[in-house]
Amino acid sequence: DTAVSQTPKYLVTQMGNDKSIKCEQNLGHDTMYWYKQDSKKFLKIMFSYNNKELIINETVPNRFSPKSPDKAHLNLHINSLELGDSAVYFCASSQLGGANYGYTFGSGTRLTVV
Amino acid sequence: DAKTTQPPSMDCAEGRAANLPCNHSTISGNEYVYWYRQIHSQGPQYIIHGLKNNETNEMASLIITEDRKSSTLILPHATLRDTAVYYCIVRVDWNAGNMLTFGGGTRLMVKP
Repeated sequence: DTAVSQTPKYLVTQMGNDKSIKCEQNLGHDTMYWYKQDSKKFLKIMFSYNNKELIINETVPNRFSPKSPDKAHLNLHINSLELGDSAVYFCASSQLGGANYGYTFGSGTRLTVV
Repeated sequence: DAKTTQPPSMDCAEGRAANLPCNHSTISGNEYVYWYRQIHSQGPQYIIHGLKNNETNEMASLIITEDRKSSTLILPHATLRDTAVYYCIVRVDWNAGNMLTFGGGTRLMVKP
């Protein structure tokens, strides 16, 4: 009964491929996020969705396209993968206006582009 | 959101209290202080948050100075499993556009 689950946990792929990372939360939260943690360990927000609508899109290449089929899911599709896309990607969720417990993060997807 | 300043690293002996400082001198009146930690290879984990008053939960205590320009996270009896990067973040709550922004954090090493 993991709160925020991401699949796959590890992903190794070649440059130029297209891949997707899936995220699901069972907390009933209305907002979901994607963060990227690079080799220097800095965590950077990429996208934020509230009730299936995009509310934040930081400076991210348009090869990255988030999709939220419902408020419990936020998937990340990446086209034409590049070496620099190698990182750990974290999904998170939160409830705006609800219990003030901040964000719940998934365990991450380690993407390696070779 | 106001910026925070934390020491890049700290050591603590196992069983002792770990006191992690954070400066947030430009904090505004409606910004909360949040603490998260990231244990190696895991996602960040919420620890505690506060606005003005000191807070305590099963994980830690948060001491906020009266002028709110700094705070201290206290782990009362640090264990080896508390070795992690600790992030102090200030942000306005209940704002859909105001996401959690992480800085460099403090790498806490708990030693036997």
